[in-house]
Amino acid sequence: LAKTTQPISMDSYEGQEVNITCSHNNIATNDYITWYQQFPSQGPRFIIQGYKTKVTNEVASLFIPADRKSSTLSLPRVSLSDTAVYYCLVGAFSSGSARQLTFGSGTQLTVLP
Amino acid sequence: NAGVTQTPKFQVLKTGQSMTLQCAQDMNHNSMYWYRQDPGMGLRLIYYSASEGTTDKGEVPNGYNVSRLNKREFSLRLESAAPSQTSVYFCASSDIGQGGEKLFFGSGTQLSVL
Repeated sequence: LAKTTQPISMDSYEGQEVNITCSHNNIATNDYITWYQQFPSQGPRFIIQGYKTKVTNEVASLFIPADRKSSTLSLPRVSLSDTAVYYCLVGAFSSGSARQLTFGSGTQLTVLP
Repeated sequence: NAGVTQTPKFQVLKTGQSMTLQCAQDMNHNSMYWYRQDPGMGLRLIYYSASEGTTDKGEVPNGYNVSRLNKREFSLRLESAAPSQTSVYFCASSDIGQGGEKLFFGSGTQLSVL
């Protein structure tokens, strides 16, 4: 199982771009990288998922280098409402494989005015 | 489209009491999961159901039982609640689609055991 390492906390200011990096040195060939966002008193919410290179959607970008041993979640122009815990997970894409996913403590992002 | 619905949202139990947490999803997902989250911690998997008719233990199954009633519903039962089971419980279902598995979570049940 691929173990992930990410910073415990990060601070940023409104309007800045935030990059959160996750290390996953023993990622397997079949593994995808997925990021979730969790607000207090809510369940985690899917943000973005990728396998290699770059993926972009309406809320974030995900950068994955060629060796796939790390990934970077990029949040453009953050606002106070982006204050949340962000989880990086690595796992395969077969049905039920989420049982192997490990939610660590995540990264607490605090956006300051 | 409601997604994943959990009931109740809050519950207080006395030690030794039993209760069932209900979860239903309307996205036609095959897999469903129960997690617990303790303060300042990540989520830990209690039980999961890869498909209708199957259930299996996760990381912290002791003190819990589950039932996959049908494709939509997956319940979690505490037979004899203990203070150590005070936590927030999240139900999730998953979709494969293109790419990796994606989890969709309910809003959680805050459980306190006195």
